[in-house]
Amino acid sequence: GENVEQHPSTLSVQEGDSAVIKCTYSDSASNYFPWYKQELGKGPQLIIDIRSNVGEKKDQRIAVTLNKTAKHFSLHITETQPEDSAVYFCAASKGGGADGLTFGKGTHLIIQP
Amino acid sequence: DAGITQSPRHKVTETGTPVTLRCHQTENHRYMYWYRQDPGHGLRLIHYSYGVKDTDKGEVSDGYSVSRSKTEDFLLTLESATSSQTSVYFCAIMRGEDTEAFFGQGTRLTVV
Repeated sequence: GENVEQHPSTLSVQEGDSAVIKCTYSDSASNYFPWYKQELGKGPQLIIDIRSNVGEKKDQRIAVTLNKTAKHFSLHITETQPEDSAVYFCAASKGGGADGLTFGKGTHLIIQP
Repeated sequence: DAGITQSPRHKVTETGTPVTLRCHQTENHRYMYWYRQDPGHGLRLIHYSYGVKDTDKGEVSDGYSVSRSKTEDFLLTLESATSSQTSVYFCAIMRGEDTEAFFGQGTRLTVV
């Protein structure tokens, strides 16, 4: 089955700096790559996603890049703010609804004032 | 929250007792999922459903069963709870094939 590796497990950055979280996947049939943000005591919330026919997608301060050849994708957050502090998860799916999402183990992002 | 309600939100139960968690959705989505979240493991798929009475196993299905007799309800049952099933359980829905997945608020289950 699919295996998703996520790095780093903890990332501490100064407020205003950029943060980058990286994921690799193993199954070349995967074609959908969402990112989730989870705050303490809450369920994961979708923040951005990318499909395999696109190399990059941006939404304000958040961007995701995908390299299908290397089987890796990354989340970029610019101009970080205190409210960006949370746990971030990457995931991969072959689409179609079956099998759900395979998640990475998460990155705890800490924004230092 | 995509109209997802999980109940109960917290539960403490004893080893060997049966436990049922409920996921209720209000928007008639076809796909429903149960995940568990544990430190160091991220979220792992337990079971999923692709329609009424249509279910299949996920990565960590041992010790769990599910049922979906109505579109809106997806039940997760631990027939005989063990301490290793202490976890936070999340229900998720997908509106259709190749669409985004949305999660409920979670159920924290402690087996003592």
